[in-house]
Amino acid sequence: GENVEQHPSTLSVQEGDSAVIKCTYSDSASNYFPWYKQELGKGPQLIIDIRSNVGEKKDQRIAVTLNKTAKHFSLHITETQPEDSAVYFCAASGGGGGADGLTFGKGTHLIIQP
Amino acid sequence: KAGVTQTPRYLIKTRGQQVTLSCSPISGHRSVSWYQQTPGQGLQFLFEYFSETQRNKGNFPGRFSGRQFSNSRSEMNVSTLELGDSALYLCASSSDLQWQYFGPGTRLTVL
Repeated sequence: GENVEQHPSTLSVQEGDSAVIKCTYSDSASNYFPWYKQELGKGPQLIIDIRSNVGEKKDQRIAVTLNKTAKHFSLHITETQPEDSAVYFCAASGGGGGADGLTFGKGTHLIIQP
Repeated sequence: KAGVTQTPRYLIKTRGQQVTLSCSPISGHRSVSWYQQTPGQGLQFLFEYFSETQRNKGNFPGRFSGRQFSNSRSEMNVSTLELGDSALYLCASSSDLQWQYFGPGTRLTVL
C-alpha cells in the first residue's frame, strides 16, 4: 500500500518568513495530493491540492509543487502570519480519493514566532 | 451550506463495551469516509461508503464496522472496545471522490 513520509515534524519560523513542508510517497499510481490544516479541537481543513498532471499550484500565500519522478511534493507558505500556526498534513491517494482512502503523513506542527 | 456534523463530540466508554458514532455529510455529498486519528499512528483510513455500499476498507480489525443510510448519513460501530481504540474519529464527506471535507470529530476515550 501507499506510504507517505512528511518532514519536518516541527517547524518554527519568524512571522513574515516562508515555511516549506516536504512529503514523499511510495505508490507511483497515486495521482491526487491534498494538504490539510488542523487547528486544535477541529477536524482537518483542506487548504490546497494538486493532481499528478500538474507541477505547481498557487492560491494566494500558499503553493504546492509536485515532482512525479522523484515522488515528492511540497507545501510552501509565504509571508507567514500568526494564524498559520497549526498542524499541517499531506496526503496521497489513487484514482478516487474517497474510494481509495487518503494516506496521510504524520503531520508538521508549524509554529509562527512573533 | 452546513458542514459535516458528527455526534457525539465526546464519549467515554469502558473496555468491552461497544460504541456507535454518527456522521451527517454535507448536503448532496454521497461519499462518506471514516478515519481514526491518534498521536502515535496519525490519521488512518477506516472505510468509505458511497450510496449505502462500502467501497473500500482500511487495515482495521472486524470490530470496526460501518453503514450508510439512504440519506447518506453514516454510522460507525466499534465492538468490544480496547484501550487502544481511544482516538479522535473523523468523518469526511465528498461529492467527487477527491475533495474531502472533514467534520470536527468524535473524541472517544476508553477506560
